[in-house]
Amino acid sequence: DVKVTQSSRYLVKRTGEKVFLECVQDMDHENMFWYRQDPGLGLRLIYFSYDVKMKEKGDIPEGYSVSREKKERFSLILESASTNQTSMYLCASSSSDTDTQYFGPGTRLTVL
Amino acid sequence: EDQVTQSPEALRLQEGESSSLNCSYTVSGLRGLFWYRQDPGKGPEFLFTLYSAGEEKEKERLKATLTKKESFLHITAPKPEDSATYLCAVQASRTYKYIFGTGTRLKVLA
Repeated sequence: DVKVTQSSRYLVKRTGEKVFLECVQDMDHENMFWYRQDPGLGLRLIYFSYDVKMKEKGDIPEGYSVSREKKERFSLILESASTNQTSMYLCASSSSDTDTQYFGPGTRLTVL
Repeated sequence: EDQVTQSPEALRLQEGESSSLNCSYTVSGLRGLFWYRQDPGKGPEFLFTLYSAGEEKEKERLKATLTKKESFLHITAPKPEDSATYLCAVQASRTYKYIFGTGTRLKVLA
């Protein structure tokens, strides 16, 4: 079974803090994705990566950066957290063979 | 513009009352259409991938079908444990990006 894990289920941070969210997949997938999910807006793509050290901006990259130093690990960084970044963050991975995305359990981030 | 629209937004069914959820899409070259189930506070759980019109897939009480403009998720004799939000997504052939609908919230009453 595909397994995607995320470093925290719940996280509370203060405005201005630097926040790291980590995602690890165990299926040797080439592609990894970070989304945020907000009520009424659905899933919105922040960044994705199709190879180690490669990254592409999604639809809402402002205020975020990413890092992919190893194939199995994809990190999302909030350089200076703001209250409008309070959200559910979802990581996903996929193989280029099937394109099916598998999601992690999510991190509920609250920025105070 | 690539777009996915799911209907209805919410659906309440009695246990055993079969129904269908709709996912209409506009995309230039479909690479794949995906159905997910999402429980509150959790990540989406993969259900089905469909690649071409006419394709059908089944799993327990769920059956997904695909035409050139829409997909249906048929739920036969649902049970309360089928209550969840069902998400549809498409991937265009020219891009790595996936476009998600906003989901159908299904509630099955005992």
